[in-house]
Amino acid sequence: KAGVTQTPRYLIKTRGQQVTLSCSPISGHRSVSWYQQTPGQGLQFLFEYFSETQRNKGNFPGRFSGRQFSNSRSEMNVSTLELGDSALYLCASSPQMTGETEAFFGQGTRLTVV
Amino acid sequence: GQQVMQIPQYQHVQEGEDFTTYCNSSTTLSNIQWYKQRPGGHPVFLIQLVKSGEVKKQKRLTFQFGEAKKNSSLHITATQTTDVGTYFCAGQGNYGQNFVFGPGTRLSVLP
Repeated sequence: KAGVTQTPRYLIKTRGQQVTLSCSPISGHRSVSWYQQTPGQGLQFLFEYFSETQRNKGNFPGRFSGRQFSNSRSEMNVSTLELGDSALYLCASSPQMTGETEAFFGQGTRLTVV
Repeated sequence: GQQVMQIPQYQHVQEGEDFTTYCNSSTTLSNIQWYKQRPGGHPVFLIQLVKSGEVKKQKRLTFQFGEAKKNSSLHITATQTTDVGTYFCAGQGNYGQNFVFGPGTRLSVLP
């Protein structure tokens, strides 16, 4: 079974630009969660999608948004990028809602904002 | 909101020594999960604990869930260099709150 795939792996953007990250979950998994990981803040929950609906949302500004498609693939969008958005963005897929069963993480997208 | 803390933040041990990391939640958890992230890697699921007072073992790793379901621990016996990484606990409250990760404990094992 293929694992969780995130694209791109690395990204360099300029302040003020926007970016879209993609996550393809494990086949059959309906939940996709997104996390921001930075050295100082650890793993911060962004949002979770289950069956195309956002079920939970973390404490991030409205510049961070996401969606999930009917095939469970998910995208995360960050608009008006700031230097502080530089981080590793991880997505995780689960058969059910996050926390009910184990989550499988992708390799992440390393975003650098300059 | 719900907060999950872990101590210690860092731990350096000599190979063969034991290691323990502790996880504490500000609220009662429905369950708790543990993950390991190797340097440069992504978090990998280790185990899930659901019942109050539950103890589970995986070879040299012992996981415990507190009686009040607000704390947990991971103990590694006789550490090896392959145990190097950051260990995260993660939990969710009883009312569908967000799944929250602790800040992690970074383990270094000196050969």
